[in-house]
Amino acid sequence: GDSVTQMEGPVTLSEEAFLTINCTYTATGYPSLFWYVQYPGEGLQLLLKATKADDKGSNKGFEATYRKETTSFHLEKGSVQVSDSAVYFCALEIQGAQKLVFGQGTRLTINP
Amino acid sequence: NAGVMQNPRHLVRRRGQEARLRCSPMKGHSHVYWYRQLPEEGLKFMVYLQKENIIDESGMPKERFSAEFPKEGPSILRIQQVVRGDSAAYFCASSPLAVRQETQYFGPGTRLLVL
Repeated sequence: GDSVTQMEGPVTLSEEAFLTINCTYTATGYPSLFWYVQYPGEGLQLLLKATKADDKGSNKGFEATYRKETTSFHLEKGSVQVSDSAVYFCALEIQGAQKLVFGQGTRLTINP
Repeated sequence: NAGVMQNPRHLVRRRGQEARLRCSPMKGHSHVYWYRQLPEEGLKFMVYLQKENIIDESGMPKERFSAEFPKEGPSILRIQQVVRGDSAAYFCASSPLAVRQETQYFGPGTRLLVL
């Protein structure tokens, strides 16, 4: 079945460090791919998305490129801030269905 | 435009009681999705509803769980005779259209604790 695998956390970085959170997927067809962020005690917020191969989603300095050949959608940011501390979820939307499949989440902590 | 609203935000129940979780979608959204998040895990799809119809309930346990989205009022996720394993965060999401690539907007969740 369709699935998403994320880099295991927790990840701890210093402020201004470079961030990569790996995400790979297994799916039939051509899913849309998403990154959601969850701040403590809150719901999920859409961070960025890509709907077809080679698309790059970007928002708030975060980027991810839909790589069909490697079935990946890695999240990157060039210089992280303390306020980026949260749990990040990679997800795909199953083609032909209106439901999301999530990875297990990666907890990110940024130290000043 | 208010976001997706869920209440209560926190709910404590004893084993055997009923839990009723409510979700009001964003204005103009007629599609509602429920997800469950167990501690330290990702979200798992439970059910997808449109007004007065259940479209996909493939992720919902067959017993004790039910969901509805009436013509008027919020969507309700109902858990009868709760057990400790039902303790989780339950998130509702909504979208305006049932087309691929349409973003789902999430509510703040209801955190259910079963004692």
